[in-house]
Amino acid sequence: DAGVTQSPTHLIKTRGQHVTLRCSPISGHKSVSWYQQVLGQGPQFIFQYYEKEERGRGNFPDRFSARQFPNYSSELNVNALLLGDSALYLCASSTGTAIRAFFGQGTRLTVV
Amino acid sequence: QQQVKQSPQSLIVQKGGISIINCAYENTAFDYFPWYQQFPGKGPALLIAIRPDVSEKKEGRFTISFNKSAKQFSLHIMDSQPGDSATYFCAASNPNTGTASKLTFGTGTRLQVTL
Repeated sequence: DAGVTQSPTHLIKTRGQHVTLRCSPISGHKSVSWYQQVLGQGPQFIFQYYEKEERGRGNFPDRFSARQFPNYSSELNVNALLLGDSALYLCASSTGTAIRAFFGQGTRLTVV
Repeated sequence: QQQVKQSPQSLIVQKGGISIINCAYENTAFDYFPWYQQFPGKGPALLIAIRPDVSEKKEGRFTISFNKSAKQFSLHIMDSQPGDSATYFCAASNPNTGTASKLTFGTGTRLQVTL
């Protein structure tokens, strides 16, 4: 069985640009969460989606947005990129009823 | 606001020794406490998790000890091996909101197991 897949694995963007990160959850999982992990720190919660509805949002500016599609895959969008947005962006999926979350390998975003 | 405090920041243990990592939480609504292992360039992988209705859980060489009154929990890695060298994160969540957990992570402990 495929695990959580994220694309792309690495990305370099310029300040002020927009970026879209993608996540495919484990088959049968209906919940997707996004996390930002700055180098040397623990992951910080950004969004949680369940059955295509936003169920939680962390302390991130409105430049960050996300959505979940009917097939339960998800996109994270970040507008007006700042140097401080450079981080590993992680996607985690779960069934939605069970509490165990499985993480993807992440997308390494570098803003220059 | 850091709701989960983790220590130490780094740890060096000899092969065969015991690695101990500690975490403390503030939010009494937390009801699920997992530990994740992360290798460089990879996403976190769940090691072991505990609910507060038990004081200890053991899976292989990994044990979680939980002290609800002190709001503390710890990970013990017995017979530590060089392959255990990684960064370990404690986390906490309140799954009683009805959907998959929003995890609050500690700051991480970089473990190095030497020969």
